[in-house]
Amino acid sequence: NAGVTQTPKFHILKTGQSMTLQCAQDMNHGYLSWYRQDPGMGLRRIHYSVAAGITDKGEVPDGYNVSRSNTEDFPLRLESAAPSQTSVYFCASSYPERNTEAFFGQGTRLTVV
Amino acid sequence: RKEVEQDPGPFNVPEGATVAFNCTYSNSASQSFFWYRQDCRKEPKLLMSVYSSGNEDGRFTAQLNRASQYISLLIRDSKLSDSATYLCVVYMNRDDKIIFGKGTRLHILP
Repeated sequence: NAGVTQTPKFHILKTGQSMTLQCAQDMNHGYLSWYRQDPGMGLRRIHYSVAAGITDKGEVPDGYNVSRSNTEDFPLRLESAAPSQTSVYFCASSYPERNTEAFFGQGTRLTVV
Repeated sequence: RKEVEQDPGPFNVPEGATVAFNCTYSNSASQSFFWYRQDCRKEPKLLMSVYSSGNEDGRFTAQLNRASQYISLLIRDSKLSDSATYLCVVYMNRDDKIIFGKGTRLHILP
């Protein structure tokens, strides 16, 4: 029972390069979200999805794109990475009633140089 | 006033002691409240929901005070394994918005 799986766990990217962070869940949860966590700040939601084919912007969506082609996967794409996107990224899944995040993935530590 | 505020700590508490944290929120429309714990360099994990009537889970008690707009977490008989950062989370159903506090660091001392 894997829960929410994120890959990769660590990555170093050069400014201007693109990258996709992967998120997969096996609990049949409808809601999936991406967060970033920076020192001295609370987790901030980037994008989220309530079901396959539906995505919405969170509080800090600029510079990121998402897609949701099925229930299990919710990739986060950085088209042209910037040093300000250096962060720890978490994917989270929620129950249908959706009033909080039930499970988080283990995170992806991304450094943009 | 920030949407969700927590004392960052650290709280250094001897093993076996009782410790309490508060978290204040600014939006009275906030509907749901939660506590998470996050170990160093790990993902957040849902600890418990917070209800107006108060709720208890073993050594942990959570309370909500809507009039004063704060939630609290009480840990009794603290263990070394309780050392972590505790995150306060507020959900606003009307805006479908989740706000995470910055967290309170707790160190349990042997």
